[in-house]
Amino acid sequence: GQQVMQIPQYQHVQEGEDFTTYCNSSTTLSNIQWYKQRPGGHPVFLIQLVKSGEVKKQKRLTFQFGEAKKNSSLHITATQTTDVGTYFCAGEGGYQKVTFGTGTKLQVIP
Amino acid sequence: DAGITQSPRHKVTETGTPVTLRCHQTENHRYMYWYRQDPGHGLRLIHYSYGVKDTDKGEVSDGYSVSRSKTEDFLLTLESATSSQTSVYFCAISEPGLAETGELFFGEGSRLTVL
Repeated sequence: GQQVMQIPQYQHVQEGEDFTTYCNSSTTLSNIQWYKQRPGGHPVFLIQLVKSGEVKKQKRLTFQFGEAKKNSSLHITATQTTDVGTYFCAGEGGYQKVTFGTGTKLQVIP
Repeated sequence: DAGITQSPRHKVTETGTPVTLRCHQTENHRYMYWYRQDPGHGLRLIHYSYGVKDTDKGEVSDGYSVSRSKTEDFLLTLESATSSQTSVYFCAISEPGLAETGELFFGEGSRLTVL
């Protein structure tokens, strides 16, 4: 079945440093979604990418979808303590069957 | 926040007992999902539903069954709970667009401990 891996599993950064998490799928994805989960909370949708090579920005967050639609990345510029949490990518393996990546836990040191 | 309620929010049970978790939505979304979250594994799909009485298995469905007799309710049952099923369980709902995956809205989670 479809597998979605993320690296790194954990990342500690100083506040103000940049952060990137990478997502790789074993199969081609029709689209990819990104979610953020704050400690003790539930995942919250951030964005969806659909087109090959697509790049979208949300303030300090930049999302990319690979040309082959098998990988994606999330880059945060100048991290803040409010960015703390676990970031998940998620891909649809057909028929709205949404598979999540393993997640990257981000810690921001003030 | 989307109208999703999970119950119970916390449960401690013993090995071998049956457990049912309930997910209730007020959004009339077609798709409902059950995920479990464990350290190092992210969110793993257990079962999902694409309509009343229409369900399908996810990647970790063994030991779990589901039922959806009404649009608003999606039940997850552990027929005989085991310690390996100790986890946080999340329900999610979505309503896909014509050509895209729907955004998933998650419930607050149900923490299950099997002793």
